[in-house]
Amino acid sequence: EVQLVESGGGLIEPGESLRLSCAASGFPFNKAWMSWVRQAPGKGLEWVGRIISSNDGGRIDYGAPVKGRFTISRDDSKNTLYLQMNSLTTEDTAVYFCIWELPSPGNFEYWGQGTLVTVSS
Amino acid sequence: DIQMTQSPSSLSASVGDRVTITCRASQSISNYLSWYHQKAGKAPKLLIYAASTLQSGVPSRFSGSGSGTEFTLTISSLQPEDFATYYCQQNYSTPYTFGQGTKLEI
Repeated sequence: EVQLVESGGGLIEPGESLRLSCAASGFPFNKAWMSWVRQAPGKGLEWVGRIISSNDGGRIDYGAPVKGRFTISRDDSKNTLYLQMNSLTTEDTAVYFCIWELPSPGNFEYWGQGTLVTVSS
Repeated sequence: DIQMTQSPSSLSASVGDRVTITCRASQSISNYLSWYHQKAGKAPKLLIYAASTLQSGVPSRFSGSGSGTEFTLTISSLQPEDFATYYCQQNYSTPYTFGQGTKLEI
């Protein structure tokens, strides 16, 4: 069974940093293209970024609102995806979802349950 | 970035109704268009990808059509479990972008 379990969310002050983790199981993580999507309270979905498999080149892309502040990485030996978030603002308050892109790149079949990040003073 | 615009933003309907939601892209995205629905407090669920391909396990009352810049999602006969928020999403190019959502209410 495919499982994606996010962790690391919480309450944090503006300007600080936070790292989210996504533990993956039930599928060949080292071959997977993985994305992060976020959803602010009561709002729509926003793509944060993605990392493709090392075999396919390991390219990483970001959405404009987070480029230069957020970093996506992966540890295939631990089946874990990461999202390092720096210089957080109140606009980054959201539930962050980890996603396995299936059945083809850019399609989001498998989602984690999400982890809430609240940026507030 | 490619902008996705859904209409309507909200829709009231009854069980058994046929409903259609429209999604427009700011430039041609061929058929790189997916549809999701999301219930409160849950992660979104993929319904349709490649504009018209039904995801495995999704009921056949859901269908998608379109290409280029205009797309539609149709639910042929609404069931109680279909009342949710629906999103379109382009995966033609990064940054992937979503429509603003259509809330389908009873």
